[in-house]
Amino acid sequence: DTEVTQTPKHLVMGMTNKKSLKCEQHMGHRAMYWYKQKAKKPPELMFVYSYEKLSINESVPSRFSPECPNSSLLNLHLHALQPEDSALYLCASNDRGRNSPLHFGNGTRLTVT
Amino acid sequence: GNSVTQMEGPVTLSEEAFLTINCTYTATGYPSLFWYVQYPGEGLQLLLKATKADDKGSNKGFEATYRKETTSFHLEKGSVQVSDSAVYFCALPYNQGGKLIFGQGTELSVKP
Repeated sequence: DTEVTQTPKHLVMGMTNKKSLKCEQHMGHRAMYWYKQKAKKPPELMFVYSYEKLSINESVPSRFSPECPNSSLLNLHLHALQPEDSALYLCASNDRGRNSPLHFGNGTRLTVT
Repeated sequence: GNSVTQMEGPVTLSEEAFLTINCTYTATGYPSLFWYVQYPGEGLQLLLKATKADDKGSNKGFEATYRKETTSFHLEKGSVQVSDSAVYFCALPYNQGGKLIFGQGTELSVKP
């Protein structure tokens, strides 16, 4: 079982909808990440939160809006998405530091219609 | 920033065959190196890691040695099983900022 929990597992949304992806970890990690992964491709970093503050935004379009309400939770708010945004969205966490491995959730499979 | 190049797949092997997946990197300093595995329908899991030159990471019969002289971190397993079928990613930190970069991934399919 993964220690990073993501909900929902699957999400289908229209281009005019607003939805949110949720991520939770209880390992005491102070860095949390959102990655986007297309089929059989490596994950691409979107956002990094460190100590609940946004530290990296990889030039992600504003239709994706991250939020870190506390040290255990990470949300990704979605609005006016495009069909090309359909992908697996992965949340991860780690202790801050280059030698600390990432712990991933199982992801949310998003389909935009 | 640092970069990683990984052997592309797909790789198809028979059960009990020997596996090697090549990974080479360019890096400033000596960052930790990682192998992640992604089983169908799941997120990525850390398979093994090495934190300094000549370290050998190992887990579930898989091994990889941090080779400074060849800037490589090849993944090996002596006898693969059907349950090893997955996509394998080599990874290292991009810089000091916490961003992890991944190789292109190698899909492994093991046939009985």
